[in-house]
Amino acid sequence: GENVEQHPSTLSVQEGDSAVIKCTYSDSASNYFPWYKQELGKGPQLIIDIRSNVGEKKDQRIAVTLNKTAKHFSLHITETQPEDSAVYFCAASKSNTGKLIFGQGTTLQVKP
Amino acid sequence: EAQVTQNPRYLITVTGKKLTVTCSQNMNHEYMSWYRQDPGLGLRQIYYSMNVEVTDKGDVPEGYKVSRKEKRNFPLILESPSPNQTSLYFCASSPYRGSTNEKLFFGSGTQLSVL
Repeated sequence: GENVEQHPSTLSVQEGDSAVIKCTYSDSASNYFPWYKQELGKGPQLIIDIRSNVGEKKDQRIAVTLNKTAKHFSLHITETQPEDSAVYFCAASKSNTGKLIFGQGTTLQVKP
Repeated sequence: EAQVTQNPRYLITVTGKKLTVTCSQNMNHEYMSWYRQDPGLGLRQIYYSMNVEVTDKGDVPEGYKVSRKEKRNFPLILESPSPNQTSLYFCASSPYRGSTNEKLFFGSGTQLSVL
């Protein structure tokens, strides 16, 4: 079955710097790759997603890139702010299945 | 307000005492799923349901049961809880339009401790 590996497990950056979180997946048939942000005491919330027919997607300070050949995708956060501090999860799934496989999570700390 | 509601928020129980964690969504979503979150392991899928009366195992279904008798509710049942089921549990739902995977809406979580 699908396996998703996420790195790093923790990441600390200065406010204003960029942060990059990387994920690799094992199933080449996977075609949907969402990213979720989990704030303390809350459930995860979708922040951006990408489908396999697209190589890059941006939403303000957040971008996701997908390399299907290498089977990896990355989350890029620019101009980080203290409110970006949270746990981030990547995930992968494929059409016609109900399975969404998550990575292990990355704790991002943005220092003021 | 569109939401996924889980109850209870916190639960402490003892080994072997059956319990149910309820999950309800008010968005008329076809798809619902349960996850458990453990440090260093991320979110692992327990069971999911693509529609009423349709349920399937996720990656860690052992020790759990679910039912989907109506669209809005998807309870998680632990018939004989054990300490290794101590975890943070999340219910989620999604429109799941046809074959396309869509955004998941998560509940606020249930912190379960089995003594």
